[in-house]
Amino acid sequence: QVQLQESGPGLVKPSETLSLTCTVSGGSINNYHWSWIRQPPGKGLEYIASMYYSGSTNYNPSLKSRVAISVDTSNNQFYLKLNSVTAADTAVYYCARWNNGGDYWGQGTLVTVSS
Amino acid sequence: QTVVTQEPSLTVSPGGTVTLTCASSTGAVTSGYYPNWFQQIPGHAPRSLIYTISNKHSWTPARFSGSLLGGKAALTLSGVLPEDEADYYCLLYSGGVWVFGGGTKLTVL
Repeated sequence: QVQLQESGPGLVKPSETLSLTCTVSGGSINNYHWSWIRQPPGKGLEYIASMYYSGSTNYNPSLKSRVAISVDTSNNQFYLKLNSVTAADTAVYYCARWNNGGDYWGQGTLVTVSS
Repeated sequence: QTVVTQEPSLTVSPGGTVTLTCASSTGAVTSGYYPNWFQQIPGHAPRSLIYTISNKHSWTPARFSGSLLGGKAALTLSGVLPEDEADYYCLLYSGGVWVFGGGTKLTVL
């Protein structure tokens, strides 16, 4: 059974960079796409970006200028960096295996942007 | 960017049948939009129910089915149970990017 776990700081200051890690267990990161999705409190889901294990990427145009995603196949992890954050970036951030849609999801991690 | 539209809320009686729809601002939803459906219980991560129109996962209950209906993606629940009360999100691939709908809050009453 594939499992995903997000980790990273729960509090980030405005204008700084949000950095999250997703650790994949129970299966290999190879041969799949992997994605980040977020959900502001009380609101709907927003697709952030996805990446194939070998490096090709796909970004939400509205976030593309501030987002970087990467994969470490040796550690079975993938990463999200979102720079110049504001309060509007406060959300639960999910990672997911992306197989023409997300089949396996992490439990999510709340990131609050506040000084 | 594509806007994906779902009914904001629906109510269904236990044992009843309900259909949720998912429309694209770019036109009719087709297989090339790879429509997906997710269920989210408040406080929990989304759970994938349906992918690429009508394909189910091993964990998807049989009472859930996906289809294309009148130019939209559709999720039908037959024989609704109280535990089906949740938020449901559709996801489409449009213009080279994945876009979620705003979600449908399903009440079982």
